[in-house]
Amino acid sequence: AQSVAQPEDQVNVAEGNPLTVKCTYSVSGNPYLFWYVQYPNRGLQFLLKYITGDNLVKGSYGFEAEFNKSQTSFHLKKPSALVSDSALYFCAVRDASGGSYIPTFGRGTSLIVHP
Amino acid sequence: DVKVTQSSRYLVKRTGEKVFLECVQDMDHENMFWYRQDPGLGLRLIYFSYDVKMKEKGDIPEGYSVSREKKERFSLILESASTNQTSMYLCASGRTHPNNEQFFGPGTRLTVL
Repeated sequence: AQSVAQPEDQVNVAEGNPLTVKCTYSVSGNPYLFWYVQYPNRGLQFLLKYITGDNLVKGSYGFEAEFNKSQTSFHLKKPSALVSDSALYFCAVRDASGGSYIPTFGRGTSLIVHP
Repeated sequence: DVKVTQSSRYLVKRTGEKVFLECVQDMDHENMFWYRQDPGLGLRLIYFSYDVKMKEKGDIPEGYSVSREKKERFSLILESASTNQTSMYLCASGRTHPNNEQFFGPGTRLTVL
């Protein structure tokens, strides 16, 4: 079985400050991990993914995420937040050993960046 | 530019009506998915299809059916719409291997009166 948790419903950060959106996961094998962003009244857009290799993954719009196997986490980060980063962020996981077609999504975290 | 398109952005229907939501992808993806998104509940999988004419139930298939007659098109059907099916519906597509990301359409916001 696979699962993912986003422990914060909402994250507030001031523009220019670093931001972190948290994600933890559970899989029986190795994970494939994904972050997506959803702007208001839009579909989800892919940001980045971890497959294997380097634990720090860089993605679109200056975002990066750090894979931590011992803590089973894949937190999304950005060094300097922009007001335009305000959106809903979803973490998703697939079990690499299970070969499932279907990812499991977290419930989403609303990021609000204040001017 | 790769695309997943959905037939309507906003739709208003009456209770008991049959509703068709259409999704088309231009990336030759094997897999297609229908989700509904509700506040506080995240994305919930309704149905997915891994090949033409093949479908499998997701977490909440009750009250819905699907059709995939062509690889690029995946339709979601509400046989008799009810008010509790008022929601945002998202279509997605992707390749089979699990290390591949999904591509989402813009969503259809359905209101059932």
